[in-house]
Amino acid sequence: EDQVTQSPEALRLQEGESSSLNCSYTVSGLRGLFWYRQDPGKGPEFLFTLYSAGEEKEKERLKATLTKKESFLHITAPKPEDSATYLCAVQDRTTDSWGKLQFGAGTQVVVTP
Amino acid sequence: DAGVIQSPRHEVTEMGQEVTLRCKPISGHNSLFWYRQTMMRGLELLIYFNNNVPIDDSGMPEDRFSAKMPNASFSTLKIQPSEPRDSAVYFCASSIISNSPLHFGNGTRLTVT
Repeated sequence: EDQVTQSPEALRLQEGESSSLNCSYTVSGLRGLFWYRQDPGKGPEFLFTLYSAGEEKEKERLKATLTKKESFLHITAPKPEDSATYLCAVQDRTTDSWGKLQFGAGTQVVVTP
Repeated sequence: DAGVIQSPRHEVTEMGQEVTLRCKPISGHNSLFWYRQTMMRGLELLIYFNNNVPIDDSGMPEDRFSAKMPNASFSTLKIQPSEPRDSAVYFCASSIISNSPLHFGNGTRLTVT
């Protein structure tokens, strides 16, 4: 069964203090790994898709990387507006349900001024 | 682009009552997904449609749950009869078929007393 584990559960950062979030996954065959951001009372907002080990994607202060077993979301010099829950999800190529994402529990990030 | 639109935003009902949640996907998207989010289980896929046809409903918890997509611009998720354990945030998401990211609505928070 596919499993996605995110760590830490919560992260409190000072503005400008860079850090990394971890997403460890177990799938029969990875079709894609997705990062989403979720603000309170809102739906998840798509950030990145990664398909193969070694791939990297960047957007503003966020950078996502992928290995065969895990993905990292690096937050460089965060600002208070980066405060959110960050969700990782995997898509298993061996199932017929291409649209079925297995989500991790998320990392809640709080950035203080 | 108005995004995925869900209604109502909040629903409070008594156990045993019928509940209907509504979703309007992004125009041009031909896949639609219903997810449920709880503290205990995180985000879980309930059912998804391609071109208005249900493809995978293996995540629907019980026969009390049903979903329809009568046309490309509207879907409903119905719970009859509702139970307190159905309390959760229900998200609708849409995408273009084949590997495009999911775009989520802002969810319906359901409370069953």
